Amino acid sequence: NAGVMQNPRHLVRRRGQEARLRCSPMKGHSHVYWYRQLPEEGLKFMVYLQKENIIDESGMPKERFSAEFPKEGPSILRIQQVVRGDSAAYFCASSPGTGSSQPQHFGDGTRLSIL
Amino acid sequence: QQQVKQSPQSLIVQKGGISIINCAYENTAFDYFPWYQQFPGKGPALLIAIRPDVSEKKEGRFTISFNKSAKQFSLHIMDSQPGDSATYFCAASKGAGNNRKLIWGLGTSLAVNP
Repeated sequence: NAGVMQNPRHLVRRRGQEARLRCSPMKGHSHVYWYRQLPEEGLKFMVYLQKENIIDESGMPKERFSAEFPKEGPSILRIQQVVRGDSAAYFCASSPGTGSSQPQHFGDGTRLSIL
Repeated sequence: QQQVKQSPQSLIVQKGGISIINCAYENTAFDYFPWYQQFPGKGPALLIAIRPDVSEKKEGRFTISFNKSAKQFSLHIMDSQPGDSATYFCAASKGAGNNRKLIWGLGTSLAVNP
């Protein structure tokens, strides 16, 4: 049973370009969370999605960032007009449900570098 | 402000020793407290988790102690091994509707000397 798959693992963009980060949840998981990790810091919640719905985007900047989780295909985190401060590791986690006995499983992240 | 405070920031332990990492939280609505282990270049992996109706949970060499009145919980790694060298994060979540977003501590870098 494959785990959470994120791609690309590394992404380099120049300032002003767009970055698209993909996350395929574990089989049977319909809940996806995105987190951002800055160097030497913990993870910060960005957005929580269920299939075709954004449930909580309170941790995501209102400008330039968007997320989706379509009925078919992976969840996408999109960053438009990237700036140096967007350089970070972005992690996706999935879970089958919302109970505390259904923990979040993480992918190995996408490391975004902005030149 | 940091809702989950973790200490120490770094820890060095000799092989066979006990590693202890502490976390404190403010929000009494939190009802789930996991610990994650992260190796360089990898995503966090769930180690062990506890709910506030239990004061202690043990899985192998890993134990969580939970003090509800003090709003603190800690991870104990018994018989620490060099392979345990990693960054450890505590986290917390509350069951607000269907949303189980995790609030994280800043992490503890553990080095176990052989």
